[in-house]
Amino acid sequence: GAGVSQTPSNKVTEKGKYVELRCDPISGHTALYWYRQSLGQGPEFLIYFQGTGAADDSGLPNDRFFAVRPEGSVSTLKIQRTERGDSAVYLCASTTSESGEQFFGPGTRLTVL
Amino acid sequence: AQSVTQPDIHITVSEGASLELRCNYSYGATPYLFWYVQSPGQGLQLLLKYFSGDTLVQGIKGFEAEFKRSQSSFNLRKPSVHWSDAAEYFCAVSNAGKSTFGDGTTLTVKP
Repeated sequence: GAGVSQTPSNKVTEKGKYVELRCDPISGHTALYWYRQSLGQGPEFLIYFQGTGAADDSGLPNDRFFAVRPEGSVSTLKIQRTERGDSAVYLCASTTSESGEQFFGPGTRLTVL
Repeated sequence: AQSVTQPDIHITVSEGASLELRCNYSYGATPYLFWYVQSPGQGLQLLLKYFSGDTLVQGIKGFEAEFKRSQSSFNLRKPSVHWSDAAEYFCAVSNAGKSTFGDGTTLTVKP
């Protein structure tokens, strides 16, 4: 079956622009996670959805970052007024439960010039 | 707050040699622990996980890990490394689904 997919695979934008990153989880997975991975570091938790609602958004760095999952499936991570420090690989993962294995997508590499 | 430390940034081993990657965690209760592998340009793949029970867990690709509560460690081992094992390895601890990762260990395999 299909795994977690993320689009686009690469995104180059200019400082100050708005970007949207999309995640399609595995069908039937109720939990969805966003992580950010900077060069040379491990993934850093951003936000976790259970169904349509954000169960934990404690990892969002500031109010420029926002994520939605309106129908409990696809999720979009939105970044306003991008900064060069936002450059990273943004990873999405999904799972059937909090204690289950998280299945990761290939990530979106965001470069802010 | 939970945290994970992987003390070795980079390890080089010869093909066929044994491997041990270290992981230390900080967490208040019994943790859910994971090891992932990430090859260049690829997503994270789960190697193995520990939730409870037997402290020695077996994973894919011949990997195993041992949970030692007294040492707050969850080290990854493989008896004989293959060239295809060259990758970056991440240890993670999970609480209510939210995972905290270490900064990874890069494994280089010499022929």
